Amino acid sequence: SQTIHQWPATLVQPVGSPLSLECTVEGTSNPNLYWYRQAAGRGLQLLFYSVGIGQISSEVPQNLSASRPQDRQFILSSKKLLLSDSGFYLCAWVPLLSLNTEAFFGQGTRLTVV
Amino acid sequence: AQTVTQSQPEMSVQEAETVTLSCTYDTSENNYYLFWYKQPPSRQMILVIRQEAYKQQNATENRFSVNFQKAAKSFSLKISDSQLGDTAMYFCAFMKNAGGTSYGKLTFGQGTILTVHP
Repeated sequence: SQTIHQWPATLVQPVGSPLSLECTVEGTSNPNLYWYRQAAGRGLQLLFYSVGIGQISSEVPQNLSASRPQDRQFILSSKKLLLSDSGFYLCAWVPLLSLNTEAFFGQGTRLTVV
Repeated sequence: AQTVTQSQPEMSVQEAETVTLSCTYDTSENNYYLFWYKQPPSRQMILVIRQEAYKQQNATENRFSVNFQKAAKSFSLKISDSQLGDTAMYFCAFMKNAGGTSYGKLTFGQGTILTVHP
């Protein structure tokens, strides 16, 4: 069966420090991968998505970047964090050619920038 | 671009009663999926129910059912026999049924916090 792992679960970082959040998927190949952010416990906003290795699309301009160095690995990064980067970050994957389309989510990372 | 609107920031219901959460959306697409996701205090996103736009029959999953009105672009969730474990934030979400890079992207509503009281 397929599983998605996301870490760390919580992170407290000072303003101006770098960031690296990692997401990996097991049990499938060539998944579509997504990073969402949930601010202040409300709706989720799509930040980045990837349909293959090295292919990254950004949905909103921001201080963050994403990379996909391997088929089942998706990384969210920042060189210098801002206070406004605080939030809950969720990685998700969607299987291709599935009869029961849905997005599967990781357990999330709560990022607090201080 | 698609938009999803949940007009009820918070709802409450007594245990064993029925509650309906509202969702409206706007799209020019004809082929798409609609979802309700549940986010309990653990923050894990859990799929509650899925509806394919081409299906006229409303989806049901045990105590959960939807009222899908395609022409009105409305997609409400009914929870019957509410249980304490249903307490969570509920998100309505839209996904185009399209190939290529558009596939799989979700547009979420702002969420409704549901509290089930004993």
